[in-house]
Amino acid sequence: AQTVTQSQPEMSVQEAETVTLSCTYDTSESDYYLFWYKQPPSRQMILVIRQEAYKQQNATENRFSVNFQKAAKSFSLKISDSQLGDAAMYFCAYRSTGTASKLTFGTGTRLQVTL
Amino acid sequence: DTGVSQDPRHKITKRGQNVTFRCDPISEHNRLYWYRQTLGQGPEFLTYFQNEAQLEKSRLLSDRFSAERPKGSFSTLEIQRTEQGDSAMYLCASSIISGATNEKLFFGSGTQLSVL
Repeated sequence: AQTVTQSQPEMSVQEAETVTLSCTYDTSESDYYLFWYKQPPSRQMILVIRQEAYKQQNATENRFSVNFQKAAKSFSLKISDSQLGDAAMYFCAYRSTGTASKLTFGTGTRLQVTL
Repeated sequence: DTGVSQDPRHKITKRGQNVTFRCDPISEHNRLYWYRQTLGQGPEFLTYFQNEAQLEKSRLLSDRFSAERPKGSFSTLEIQRTEQGDSAMYLCASSIISGATNEKLFFGSGTQLSVL
């Protein structure tokens, strides 16, 4: 079974600064998907960014980018120019290919953004 | 597109009672998922439907849990004889599958269940 580990329960960043959230995972599969989801106080999980394991190029979405290290099974999220609205719980998630979206989530990192 | 709607937002019940939650997916989304999220944890997969067919159930879904999706539209999740360990947030998500396109889940805001 796959596991996802987020070792940072909480992180803090100043507005306009950059922060990196860590995620590692364990799998024996060679092809899969990785995700970062944001969960604000509204509780709705929102997809931030997605990475296909077969792609060497790191995914980017505006201020959000990932550092995907397949051999190390590491998938970190970098948030640039942090904004107050980025404050939320961030979850890293894994999904096997060829299956439905049965995601395996980590335990989350709470991101605080300060002025 | 009004998003995924879940009702109720909060539910408090006594141990041993039955509860039912409802999820209305985004119109025309053919897949619907249920996840459970306990305090301090990430969501865990429970079950999913493609149209009206329930295609997979997690081992987390004990016999006291039943989910339905009549006519492939809204879905209900029922928990019978609730236990304190059932206290959690129950999240619903939907997606549209068309060919080999990437599947993107759209989540609702969840139903927070508290069993006293």
